[in-house]
Parts: sequence; C-alpha cells; structure tokens
Amino acid sequence: AQSVTQPDIHITVSEGASLELRCNYSYGATPYLFWYVQSPGQGLQLLLKYFSGDTLVQGIKGFEAEFKRSQSSFNLRKPSVHWSDAAEYFCAVVFMDSNYQLIWGAGTKLIIKP
Amino acid sequence: KAGVTQTPRYLIKTRGQQVTLSCSPISGHRSVSWYQQTPGQGLQFLFEYFSETQRNKGNFPGRFSGRQFSNSRSEMNVSTLELGDSALYLCASSGQTGGQKTQYFGPGTRLLVL
Repeated sequence: AQSVTQPDIHITVSEGASLELRCNYSYGATPYLFWYVQSPGQGLQLLLKYFSGDTLVQGIKGFEAEFKRSQSSFNLRKPSVHWSDAAEYFCAVVFMDSNYQLIWGAGTKLIIKP
Repeated sequence: KAGVTQTPRYLIKTRGQQVTLSCSPISGHRSVSWYQQTPGQGLQFLFEYFSETQRNKGNFPGRFSGRQFSNSRSEMNVSTLELGDSALYLCASSGQTGGQKTQYFGPGTRLLVL
C-alpha cells in the first residue's frame, strides 16, 4: 500500500536554529506533494506544494521544501525558526493511482527551545 | 475570500446520540472532503463530495454519512455515537479536481462523546 512516512514524531530545536523535517513516500510515479501546519486546536494550513517543475519550492512563513525523486523525499526546511513555528507539521501525498486521495504522514511535532 | 467555516466548533454528546456537523466551503469550491483526526490514528479520510455526489469514501462504518447541497455546503452525520468517535472533525474544500487539487481546511469541530 502507498504510504507516507515522517520518521520524527517530535523534534526540538532552539529558536534561531535551522530546521529540517523529513518526509518520505513509497515508490511510485511522481506524486503531488504537500506540507501543512497545524497549531494547537486549529485546522491545517497549507505551507507549500509541489506538482512539477523546479524541485525547490518556496512556501509561506519562510519555509521551503525540496523534492528529491531518487530518495522519494520531500523534506521541509527553514533557515531560522521562531517560537511561533511551534506546531505540528504534516506531509501529504497524492499518488496518481490512489483515486487522487491525499495520503497523510503521521505528523511531526516541533518544539522550540527559548 | 472567506475561508472554510465549520459549525459548531465544539460539541459534547453522550453515547448513542447522533450528531450533525456543518461545513461551508470557500466560495466557488465544489469539492468538500471530511477527515477525522485523533491522537492515536492521526488524520483519516471519511469521504469527499463533489457537486452533491459522494466521490470517494474512506474506511468508516455506515454510522458515518454525509451529504452536499447545491450551494456546495456539506454536512456529516454520525449516528449512535461511541466513545471512540471523540475527535477533531476537519472539513476541507478544493476548487480543482484530480491530483492537483489543493485542499483548504476549516478550523474543525471538536466532538467529545461521554
């Protein structure tokens, strides 16, 4: 079955440090890729998406993600985190043969140390 | 444009009761999807409606049902509530179809079943 893996359940970084959140998906044709963020008690907000073209995608709030086909990965990065970035981050993938349904990772909770 | 709205935001019910949740999509969006989010199971797809027709369905019992109206507003109903139905129910709307559809989420309805 197609799957999306976010290997880190929690990540703790210091404010001002760089961040990388990992996302891997099961092998298949080039999927469509998304990152969402969820603050406590809130819905999900789209950070960025990749459909085709340049494999480095810029999103909102200073986030970017890079699609690496050879590694089946779509990792999310930010050069310098702020306390307001503390939230849960979800990677989601649409596989071409999944009836266009989003397959979700389990999420990574980001904790910011002051 | 106004975002996706969901009502009510919070609900407390008792086992055996039924509940109806409402979702108003972004103006012009015709696709509405529903998700259940729990700490143990993560985000799970319930169903998707497009132009008043259910297009996809997740792996939930028949107690979970939905419908969409001609103005694209959607409702989901859960009958004979169980304790395990306590969750955050998220609605998402999309203006596209197919793999490139980007889903925009509402704030969710938090349901507590006692």
